[in-house]
Amino acid sequence: SQKIEQNSEALNIQEGKTATLTCNYTNYSPAYLQWYRQDPGRGPVFLLLIRENEKEKRKERLKVTFDTTLKQSLFHITASQPADSATYLCALDMDSNYQLIWGAGTKLIIKP
Amino acid sequence: DAGITQSPRHKVTETGTPVTLRCHQTENHRYMYWYRQDPGHGLRLIHYSYGVKDTDKGEVSDGYSVSRSKTEDFLLTLESATSSQTSVYFCAISDRAIQETQYFGPGTRLLVL
Repeated sequence: SQKIEQNSEALNIQEGKTATLTCNYTNYSPAYLQWYRQDPGRGPVFLLLIRENEKEKRKERLKVTFDTTLKQSLFHITASQPADSATYLCALDMDSNYQLIWGAGTKLIIKP
Repeated sequence: DAGITQSPRHKVTETGTPVTLRCHQTENHRYMYWYRQDPGHGLRLIHYSYGVKDTDKGEVSDGYSVSRSKTEDFLLTLESATSSQTSVYFCAISDRAIQETQYFGPGTRLLVL
């Protein structure tokens, strides 16, 4: 079955450094991958979408890479700030079933 | 959360009682989804809708039913609530293809005693 893995342990990063989060998947070849941010008690908020034919995508301080050979996406936040502290979720399309499958998320903590 | 509301936001109920959660959108998006989120799990799709009166099952649909009689409203019903249905429920919408960017509501926290 399809499986998505994100670091289950919280990631602690010093303010100003680059935070890198990982999303690994198995048994599937998605057409695209999405990253969302979720704050406590709130619904996820869309950040970036990257397609299988794109190696990298950027939006302000955010960068996403998509390596279909390694079956991995990396999510980078440069010049991290305490306000970036949140849980970050990745999601893949399931083309045959018209559904997204979701990772459990990685909690990111940016320390001042 | 703009344009998507869920009600109630919190609910405590007893095992065996029916429960209905409501999702309301003002964005006129075609697709609507119900997810549940539990610790250690990713969001899991319960049911989705691709138009008025058009719905389909998701990964964890057992014990749940849905209805969509208007574009803006998507109802999730737990026919007979069980403790395993204690969870946070999120409604989401999307405008184009069903796999495209989804926009989420604020969630409903349900506790089944």
